[in-house]
Amino acid sequence: GAVVSQHPSRVICKSGTSVKIECRSLDFQATTMFWYRQFPKKSLMLMATSNEGSKATYEQGVEKDKFLINHASLTLSTLTVTSAHPEDSSFYICSARTQENQPQHFGDGTRLSIL
Amino acid sequence: GDSVTQMEGPVTLSEEAFLTINCTYTATGYPSLFWYVQYPGEGLQLLLKATKADDKGSNKGFEATYRKETTSFHLEKGSVQVSDSAVYFCALIGAAGNKLTFGGGTRVLVKP
Repeated sequence: GAVVSQHPSRVICKSGTSVKIECRSLDFQATTMFWYRQFPKKSLMLMATSNEGSKATYEQGVEKDKFLINHASLTLSTLTVTSAHPEDSSFYICSARTQENQPQHFGDGTRLSIL
Repeated sequence: GDSVTQMEGPVTLSEEAFLTINCTYTATGYPSLFWYVQYPGEGLQLLLKATKADDKGSNKGFEATYRKETTSFHLEKGSVQVSDSAVYFCALIGAAGNKLTFGGGTRVLVKP
């Protein structure tokens, strides 16, 4: 089946550090990738949608300069949390799909902890 | 806009009990409906899906039927196991075909 790999699985770093999270589709070409944030015991909040070769579309309230998204190829998207602070600590999950109306396949998530 | 409402948890059951998680939705047109499962510390896995009215999605003993008349997609399993302990999310892709809209998630705890 479709596999999405997300790396790293866990990051602990100091306040002010920039952190990059990778999302790869291993066995299919992902024209669209999604980035979600999940707070403890809460549902997923869509942060942004990225299409290969295009600028990401951010949801209302998500700072594009804070959360930089790059989708340079059909198998890789990256999320960079710039100058991270403790309030950015969260579980970040990516997903990927081949085309509209097809299921999204999710990575295993990245637990980000900012000290 | 589109929305998904599912029963709040946690739902605590004994092994081999019957599980039902209610899910209702609001959407224009004919959305595709999904159930995802999230095990502790992991991402989401697609459990089952249905793309048109009266379709039944099934996987790993779980079933859900797309009910257009009641705008529902309730998840059921006849005999749960401890390994079914997880958070279950109902979701839809609306007519625009672009984004998943999630329900709030239902935590299920199965005790031996």
